[in-house]
Amino acid sequence: GAVVSQHPSWVICKSGTSVKIECRSLDFQATTMFWYRQFPKQSLMLMATSNEGSKATYEQGVEKDKFLINHASLTLSTLTVTSAHPEDSSFYICSARTVATGELFFGEGSRLTVL
Amino acid sequence: AQSVAQPEDQVNVAEGNPLTVKCTYSVSGNPYLFWYVQYPNRGLQFLLKYITGDNLVKGSYGFEAEFNKSQTSFHLKKPSALVSDSALYFCAVRERGSSNTGKLIFGQGTTLQVKP
Repeated sequence: GAVVSQHPSWVICKSGTSVKIECRSLDFQATTMFWYRQFPKQSLMLMATSNEGSKATYEQGVEKDKFLINHASLTLSTLTVTSAHPEDSSFYICSARTVATGELFFGEGSRLTVL
Repeated sequence: AQSVAQPEDQVNVAEGNPLTVKCTYSVSGNPYLFWYVQYPNRGLQFLLKYITGDNLVKGSYGFEAEFNKSQTSFHLKKPSALVSDSALYFCAVRERGSSNTGKLIFGQGTTLQVKP
């Protein structure tokens, strides 16, 4: 099946720094990618919908200046957590929707820990 | 508003016994329905989906789910549970229609614990 790669898998950073997480569709093109946030033992909360070549659409309550999303190509979307704080520590998961079939595939997730 | 409910935080079954993980939804029209499984510190793995047709859908790893329109439910089932099935299970819905971007609405998740 189609593969979605997230990098890094784990990242630890100091408070106040910015962290970039990449989401790549390895063997298919994705016009739309989704970014989710998941707290321990909780559901996935959709943060934003990322469309190639246009601005991301953020869900209500998600700070777009805090969580910068860029979808510059059909195979790559990035999430940058700016000026990270401990409360931003979470598991971030992306999913990509194939151009060909519209199916969704999920990445393995990226765990961010802010000290 | 769209919503998905998984009424049980945890389901415990003995290995070899049948299992059911419940899901009900509230979405306008006829949605697409999905089940995903998540192992610790991993992403989501697709199990099965209902689009149209037969109400009983068969998926990966021996799982199946039954779509019940009148009860707006999509319960996940397996005839004989394995210890390796222990994981977090998510039900999700997606609205039909060309205006939909493919966004999924997830339930709260149910932890399945299969004991030997």
